[in-house]
Amino acid sequence: TQLLEQSPQFLSIQEGENLTVYCNSSSVFSSLQWYRQEPGEGPVLLVTVVTGGEVKKLKRLTFQFGDARKDSSLHITAAQPGDTGLYLCAGGNDYKLSFGAGTTVTVRA
Amino acid sequence: NAGVTQTPKFQVLKTGQSMTLQCAQDMNHEYMSWYRQDPGMGLRLIHYSVGAGITDQGEVPNGYNVSRSTTEDFPLRLLSAAPSQTSVYFCASSYYPGAYEQYFGPGTRLTVT
Repeated sequence: TQLLEQSPQFLSIQEGENLTVYCNSSSVFSSLQWYRQEPGEGPVLLVTVVTGGEVKKLKRLTFQFGDARKDSSLHITAAQPGDTGLYLCAGGNDYKLSFGAGTTVTVRA
Repeated sequence: NAGVTQTPKFQVLKTGQSMTLQCAQDMNHEYMSWYRQDPGMGLRLIHYSVGAGITDQGEVPNGYNVSRSTTEDFPLRLLSAAPSQTSVYFCASSYYPGAYEQYFGPGTRLTVT
């Protein structure tokens, strides 16, 4: 059983459209991270959120941490083909990170 | 800086064989960890280390051993390979454990026949 549930599992959109990826858990985390992974490579950190209700923006990407620190969302505005990849959320407690199964995003030109 | 390096990139083993996946980092990070990535299951923590000489089990430790004799190196040993260990293995490091940015290596794709 996955500690962190991500939805949807797959997302295919046209360039210029918006998208949202969700990450939900029944557990409370001290922090929530989002990574992007491209084929044949390791994940690369996009953002870390640590405060309930926190919203962070990174250019066209907006990340939100739920008030109860159990869920998070990633919103991409005006998606571009370069946004294509596997998006992973990860919840941190103590010495460990628990990862969701990931959302595969494909942005068609 | 090379960051986190892993060798080999690809490996094929027969059932029952043993091998060591190598991981090294040059960022002087105290925390290192090993994950396996399987389709539809994300990354699962195998073992981790909070410093030289200290290791602990993660979510899926069975069939794997680790040691941490230096800050830089964190090898993962498969004792007797099984087809269920076919996966992509990632090593990661960070300044501090848990909530801090993990720097991942490029991965080792292992196939056990």
